[in-house]
Amino acid sequence: DAEITQSPRHKITETGRQVTLACHQTWNHNNMFWYRQDLGHGLRLIHYSYGVHDTNKGEVSDGYSVSRSNTEDLPLTLESAASSQTSVYFCASSRDRGKYEQYFGPGTRLTVT
Amino acid sequence: QKEVEQDPGPLSVPEGAIVSLNCTYSNSAFQYFMWYRQYSRKGPELLMYTYSSGNKEDGRFTAQVDKSSKYISLFIRDSQPSDSATYLCAMFSQRGTSYGKLTFGQGTILTVHP
Repeated sequence: DAEITQSPRHKITETGRQVTLACHQTWNHNNMFWYRQDLGHGLRLIHYSYGVHDTNKGEVSDGYSVSRSNTEDLPLTLESAASSQTSVYFCASSRDRGKYEQYFGPGTRLTVT
Repeated sequence: QKEVEQDPGPLSVPEGAIVSLNCTYSNSAFQYFMWYRQYSRKGPELLMYTYSSGNKEDGRFTAQVDKSSKYISLFIRDSQPSDSATYLCAMFSQRGTSYGKLTFGQGTILTVHP
């Protein structure tokens, strides 16, 4: 069955370190998205991609970067982790830009100490 | 002001109660209106969607959209403990600056106690 996976599921890191969160989907979807979820804020879009080599900034992109070298993967990098980036991160994918349904991964819980 | 506002709750109801969850929005370009359900420590999953105004029913769940008021609702009848989750409204447009992206409300935490 097609799926979307994230790794690691839990991560503790120190302030200032670079961290990369992995997202892999086997749906063969063109679109991939990264969100962070914090209490009281719902899901906020960090970065998204509409295809290979395409990346775009979302509403909370400062301090994060992504690159898309193939259809299946969209890794999220925190360049220099800050305590404000402690959050739960979700990756999602959708078939193409005109499709409203997004499929979400299980999430990565990141703690920056 | 956020494009989508959702009553934050939390909401705690007894089993069998009727639950009403609501969102308002400001972007008139939104065309698809969705409800995602998220169980604890899981990713959100699409529960229901409605295109444009109107009602849609699926078992114990009814979604309503009133585009003239920019207001959407999700009703849960005969609520069950298994309905305990966070419910997120989400909106989608096939045009404009929001094209291809979902805009979410803040989410409402619902607990149904036996």
